[in-house]
Amino acid sequence: EAQVTQNPRYLITVTGKKLTVTCSQNMNHEYMSWYRQDPGLGLRQIYYSMNVEVTDKGDVPEGYKVSRKEKRNFPLILESPSPNQTSLYFCASSLLAGAPDEQYFGPGTRLTVT
Amino acid sequence: LAKTTQPISMDSYEGQEVNITCSHNNIATNDYITWYQQFPSQGPRFIIQGYKTKVTNEVASLFIPADRKSSTLSLPRVSLSDTAVYYCLVAVTGGGNKLTFGTGTQLKVEL
Repeated sequence: EAQVTQNPRYLITVTGKKLTVTCSQNMNHEYMSWYRQDPGLGLRQIYYSMNVEVTDKGDVPEGYKVSRKEKRNFPLILESPSPNQTSLYFCASSLLAGAPDEQYFGPGTRLTVT
Repeated sequence: LAKTTQPISMDSYEGQEVNITCSHNNIATNDYITWYQQFPSQGPRFIIQGYKTKVTNEVASLFIPADRKSSTLSLPRVSLSDTAVYYCLVAVTGGGNKLTFGTGTQLKVEL
């Protein structure tokens, strides 16, 4: 089944404890991205990647890191999480990078930082 | 990047047609307009996409006037299961691959 998977689905952590949220797609998509969703603010893009080893900042990249060493994986790293990063996170992928291709979203990761 | 503006919320009843309008005044020549639907605790999913005039699929229709400064998603005969948040996205073809979703429209359908 073609899908985007994220792990973990739920995570509660403490301020400053490094964490990684994994994202994987099995559709051989070039484009992958991370979003955060907060009440009243909609979906905001954190980082995106147009292909392996190519990443760029979205609208809200502060406090996050990403890497794209393999085409199928795009982990989101929070080196020192803070309470303002408590949010619902979505990973997405699309076939092509240079067009408004249909985005396929993962199921989401709900992160709470205390 | 074209900024989008949508109503925050809309209410409707089962069986009615719902039209959600998105404003994108600074849309660029190469931009496409895409709509997504999101149910609670799920990721958004693609509904429909268009460049100009009218596009129709089995789920919805998308109307885009000649100046392309707005677009209207039309959902025919909504049901309770259409209760969701609807996002309008204006995306650039070619370079510039940052995607900016708006705040979305919460549609509530009642009996």
